[in-house]
Amino acid sequence: EVQLLESGGGLVQPGGSLRLSCAASGFTFTSHAMNWVRQAPGKGLEWVASIDESGDRRDHADSVKGRFTISRDNSKNTLYLQMNSLTVEDTALYYCARGTTIDTTSGVDYWGQGTLVTVSS
Amino acid sequence: QSVLTQPPSVSGTPGQRVTISCSGSSYNIGINYVYWYQQLPGTAPQLLIYRNNQRPSGVPDRFSGSRSGTSASLAISGLRSEDEADYYCAAWDDSLSGRLFGGGTKLTVL
Repeated sequence: EVQLLESGGGLVQPGGSLRLSCAASGFTFTSHAMNWVRQAPGKGLEWVASIDESGDRRDHADSVKGRFTISRDNSKNTLYLQMNSLTVEDTALYYCARGTTIDTTSGVDYWGQGTLVTVSS
Repeated sequence: QSVLTQPPSVSGTPGQRVTISCSGSSYNIGINYVYWYQQLPGTAPQLLIYRNNQRPSGVPDRFSGSRSGTSASLAISGLRSEDEADYYCAAWDDSLSGRLFGGGTKLTVL
């Protein structure tokens, strides 16, 4: 059974940093691209970043480019999102999602339950 | 503002057939696969349709997807109360080098 377990969310002040983690199990981690998708309270889904199976290709949304960095540790079957210079607009539930193939352009199939990031003073 | 355009809401009565549209461009839907997700209240999204019209195992055949040119549609037949949810389309956009989601459509079963 595919499982994606996010952690690392919490309350942070504007300008602060957080690192999210996503522990993957139940599938061959190195056979899939991985993604972060967020959902602000009461709003729709917004893609944040994608990384291919090896970590060589990373794509970030313009809204987070230069502030957020996606990465993965294939030896630990874990996906990360380093978030710096956080603003109140980054407040959202952050989902980890598996890509259908190794390519970042492929769609996503499985989703975690999300970890909540709240940016507030 | 989403580059993939969906109607904010649709509604139907039990047993009816409803469709949800998703309009894009030649950079996304026109050349890349479309995916559809169902998000029940308070839960994570779940894959409903992949590669334009394929259903994952476990998804009822009441759900179907199609693509024509730069638009896609999700059809739900034999509407049931448990279908009440938010539905999102998604596709990769080659010009943005990013994944786009539609704004979401809230389905109400009257």
